[in-house]
Amino acid sequence: ETGVTQTPRHLVMGMTNKKSLKCEQHLGHNAMYWYKQSAKKPLELMFVYSLEERVENNSVPSRFSPECPNSSHLFLHLHTLQPEDSALYLCASSQGVPAGATDTQYFGPGTRLTVL
Amino acid sequence: AQKITQTQPGMFVQEKEAVTLDCTYDTSDPSYGLFWYKQPSSGEMIFLIYQGSYDQQNATEGRYSLNFQKARKSANLVISASQLGDSAMYFCAMREPYSGGGADGLTFGKGTHLIIQP
Repeated sequence: ETGVTQTPRHLVMGMTNKKSLKCEQHLGHNAMYWYKQSAKKPLELMFVYSLEERVENNSVPSRFSPECPNSSHLFLHLHTLQPEDSALYLCASSQGVPAGATDTQYFGPGTRLTVL
Repeated sequence: AQKITQTQPGMFVQEKEAVTLDCTYDTSDPSYGLFWYKQPSSGEMIFLIYQGSYDQQNATEGRYSLNFQKARKSANLVISASQLGDSAMYFCAMREPYSGGGADGLTFGKGTHLIIQP
């Protein structure tokens, strides 16, 4: 079984729609992350959760709203997005607390989002 | 300023040859971690290898090794005996300690598109 799963794998939405991306990790990790990967740009960290509390928010527009109900699940709620938000959204998890020297992040397959 | 620099946008390598993918980084923190990930066309980021800033020896993991030159702030990935399945994007990433609680995001480079030719 894949350690980190994401649904849906592909999503097309209009600018007025509301949708949610789901991430689930089966690795017993304490930390979860959302990254955005746009064409021609490096991966950008969006949100970090540790023990279900948000510990980092990299100036992400409020039209992206994360939710971490428990250490295994992470959501990204989307509303009134713009076409430039079209990207691959990747979820990752890591051991986190207690964080060892090799706190490696393991990624899911991503959700390919297209905003029309 | 870029924290992770990968200067090779694309590389073509003959199958079975060794390949070196370049990565330089910029940090003033003495404690950091360096990672390499592989991203096939399917999109998933696959962890390959890790090097800690205090590690005395270069990391190795199967056909992957990391040529860590701390004074030069470089962390090049070496793939020995390349295979057709190695064709993918390769990303170098760095984790710096965060003063908050328990988890640190990664800073990624722009990646190198590696193509292995038969």
